[in-house]
Amino acid sequence: AQSVAQPEDQVNVAEGNPLTVKCTYSVSGNPYLFWYVQYPNRGLQFLLKYITGDNLVKGSYGFEAEFNKSQTSFHLKKPSALVSDSALYFCAVRDLYSSASKIIFGSGTRLSIRP
Amino acid sequence: GAVVSQHPSRVICKSGTSVKIECRSLDFQATTMFWYRQFPKQSLMLMATSNEGSKATYEQGVEKDKFLINHASLTLSTLTVTSAHPEDSSFYICSARPSEGGNNQPQHFGDGTRLSIL
Repeated sequence: AQSVAQPEDQVNVAEGNPLTVKCTYSVSGNPYLFWYVQYPNRGLQFLLKYITGDNLVKGSYGFEAEFNKSQTSFHLKKPSALVSDSALYFCAVRDLYSSASKIIFGSGTRLSIRP
Repeated sequence: GAVVSQHPSRVICKSGTSVKIECRSLDFQATTMFWYRQFPKQSLMLMATSNEGSKATYEQGVEKDKFLINHASLTLSTLTVTSAHPEDSSFYICSARPSEGGNNQPQHFGDGTRLSIL
């Protein structure tokens, strides 16, 4: 079965410092991975995706993610955190066994950036 | 681009009422839309996959007669919570994947509907 795991419920970072939100995946075959962000009482916003190609994927709002096949990880990163980055972040993987190509979400990590 | 409009954003109603939630893709066509439910401080739980012109595909444990889905056009899917009860109170979110570009296109999400049943 396809799945993603986000081992941290919460990540706290000081503004201006680099941030990392961790995600590991378990898939059979090539993984199609996504990161989404959710602000309070809002839907999810797409940040970036990895399908194939360069292991470092750049996305919206200065975020990037590094695909690491040997460690089965897809950690989300940003060189310098902003207070406005505080939100709930979801890693997701495409379900390869779904005809509708639905995606499966991780449990989410709440990112808190302190001024 | 790729905007999904979900309406209403909030509903408060009495037990026994049926509630309809609309999900529209504003600037793209979506053969497939998805309906999720999110409990406080939890991840999204896929309820069903909505397919334009055909029946929805429900996830295991989701009552299709309780949560009626209609996807009559390439830009509109509706979810009707029939005879809602307090346990149906939740945050419902829809998403749509553009028909063009294949199945690896990201889903685009509406802003959700907070349903509160008294």
